[in-house]
Amino acid sequence: DTGVSQDPRHKITKRGQNVTFRCDPISEHNRLYWYRQTLGQGPEFLTYFQNEAQLEKSRLLSDRFSAERPKGSFSTLEIQRTEQGDSAMYLCASSEQGAFDYTFGSGTRLTVV
Amino acid sequence: QQPVQSPQAVILREGEDAVINCSSSKALYSVHWYRQKHGEAPVFLMILLKGGEQKGHDKISASFNEKKQQSSLYLTASQLSYSGTYFCGTEKGDSGGSNYKLTFGKGTLLTVNP
Repeated sequence: DTGVSQDPRHKITKRGQNVTFRCDPISEHNRLYWYRQTLGQGPEFLTYFQNEAQLEKSRLLSDRFSAERPKGSFSTLEIQRTEQGDSAMYLCASSEQGAFDYTFGSGTRLTVV
Repeated sequence: QQPVQSPQAVILREGEDAVINCSSSKALYSVHWYRQKHGEAPVFLMILLKGGEQKGHDKISASFNEKKQQSSLYLTASQLSYSGTYFCGTEKGDSGGSNYKLTFGKGTLLTVNP
């Protein structure tokens, strides 16, 4: 088991461009989470999947953000028309249903210039 | 509502003890503690469920005072490897323990020097 993998590790994009991040959770984990972390802050909840169903989406996410988890395996997070305020570390985590601990990935650092 | 962590930063010499606090103004179901080293993923340390239990993990332990909605993380005989940012993550009291949505504090930066 290689843990939670996120790709890419770093992304620099121009304002207005679209970006997509990928997360591969631990294979037996049916829960998947996306969090966002800015400098000096703790992770902020964005969205949560149980298997392929997206069960909650934070009000922090505008309509420019969309997340999918087809077939309940990997997940993608897309940001359309990026803004400078989107610059952050995007963390993915997974867990088994009923388990208390998350396993986080190392994150994708997005810089919007 | 974001829990408040204190102190914001602490510097220790190897072997010294430290306490990190996490307070919430809302009723909590659970408190989770994570440690994040620079440039790395947060790593789970332990969870405290309402009921006021205390847990331990090697020389790191924690308590949860349900009445005060406060949790404390105790690091004893600190090691160089303890350096990092410690986050508490809280789950609301009405969540029923669904454990899918944590609200994290801003973190406490712990530096352990030789």
